[in-house]
Amino acid sequence: EVQLVESGGGLVQPGRSLKLSCVASGFTFNNYWMTWIRQAPGKGLEWVASITNTGGSTYYPDSVKGRFTISRDNAKSTLYLQMNSLRSEDTATYYCTRATYYWGQGVMVTVSS
Amino acid sequence: DIVLTQAPLSVSVTPGESASISCRSSKSLLSSKGITSLYWYLQRPGKSPQLLIYQMSNLASGVPDRFSSSGSETDFTLKISKVETEDVGVYYCGHRLEYPNTFGAGTKLELK
Repeated sequence: EVQLVESGGGLVQPGRSLKLSCVASGFTFNNYWMTWIRQAPGKGLEWVASITNTGGSTYYPDSVKGRFTISRDNAKSTLYLQMNSLRSEDTATYYCTRATYYWGQGVMVTVSS
Repeated sequence: DIVLTQAPLSVSVTPGESASISCRSSKSLLSSKGITSLYWYLQRPGKSPQLLIYQMSNLASGVPDRFSSSGSETDFTLKISKVETEDVGVYYCGHRLEYPNTFGAGTKLELK
């Protein structure tokens, strides 16, 4: 059974940093691209970042480019999202997904002073 | 960026009846490989989204065949036949043709 378990969320002040983790199990992690999707409270879905199976290429929308970094450790079957210079508009539930075919339970990030 | 426009924004259905949701793309979602990069997701209340349909018309694993999807290069329809209680939630279309991947605003399905 595919499982994706996120952690690392919480309350953070504007301008500060936070790093999310996602531990994957139930499949061969290094065979798959991975993606972070977020959802602001009461809003729709927004793609945040994607990474190839080797980690050699990464992709971001303009809204987070230069502030967020997606990475992975295939030996640990773990996906990361380093979020810097956080803004109030980054407040959302962040989902780890296996290319949107499988989704984690989500982790809440609140950016507020 | 590709804009996906869903309609209606909400729909109320009697259990056992059918429902249809439309998704219109601002650009053709047909890739050079001949795959139509249109996906449908359901987010039940308080839950994570789940994949229903991939590449326009393929049912994801474990999804009942009451769900079906069809369309052209820019216009798509998700049909739910014999709606059940468990179908309540918000339905999103999304594409993966190019970056940025984008989603529709969502269609809320509720029961009468």
